[in-house]
Amino acid sequence: DAKTTQPTSMDCAEGRAANLPCNHSTISGNEYVYWYRQIHSQGPQYIIHGLKNNETNEMASLIITEDRKSSTLILPHATLRDTAVYYCIVRVWGETSGSRLTFGEGTQLTVNP
Amino acid sequence: NAGVTQTPKFQVLKTGQSMTLQCAQDMNHEYMSWYRQDPGMGLRLIHYSVGAGITDQGEVPNGYNVSRSTTEDFPLRLLSAAPSQTSVYFCASSLAGAQETQYFGPGTRLLVL
Repeated sequence: DAKTTQPTSMDCAEGRAANLPCNHSTISGNEYVYWYRQIHSQGPQYIIHGLKNNETNEMASLIITEDRKSSTLILPHATLRDTAVYYCIVRVWGETSGSRLTFGEGTQLTVNP
Repeated sequence: NAGVTQTPKFQVLKTGQSMTLQCAQDMNHEYMSWYRQDPGMGLRLIHYSVGAGITDQGEVPNGYNVSRSTTEDFPLRLLSAAPSQTSVYFCASSLAGAQETQYFGPGTRLLVL
């Protein structure tokens, strides 16, 4: 799986948009970009994923650059409950390897009142 | 649905003892995985299974055994506990499919003295 690079930490004011960047310059054509978050040592929680098009769901938006070498997770109106470690993961799914995720160290997002 | 459940929530072992961490899911997911998370680090894959009767090693399999006799259960066995196995253990499951997301359990905190 491709290696990802994320900033160690970021701060955001409550109510503002949080933009979390991720570099994945070695991504290959069949690898998806996934975002998970982990709140206070709970089990990781799925946020969103994409292949090459921008994606949006009820939690966030995912912007993937045209060359797919980087992406940005956007939380449009951050709340205190969004304080968590955010993981950007690039993975290939395979019938024999199943759903394997390779976690890096992630970005600690702190939302301030 | 209870989702992914793990027992126990917390366990203290002495070096050399053995134990089994339990993981169960009621979503009829084909894929199940075990991860460990050391302080300040991301999750690392220990073992995974793509279906009943099929298991394989992940990134850090040494000292652990798994079996998958049913779709619902995926226990993780520590054969002879060592202080280096002090960690938080997460179980995850997902449906088969290239874009299926993983659901994580709440974790088991293990302390080996």
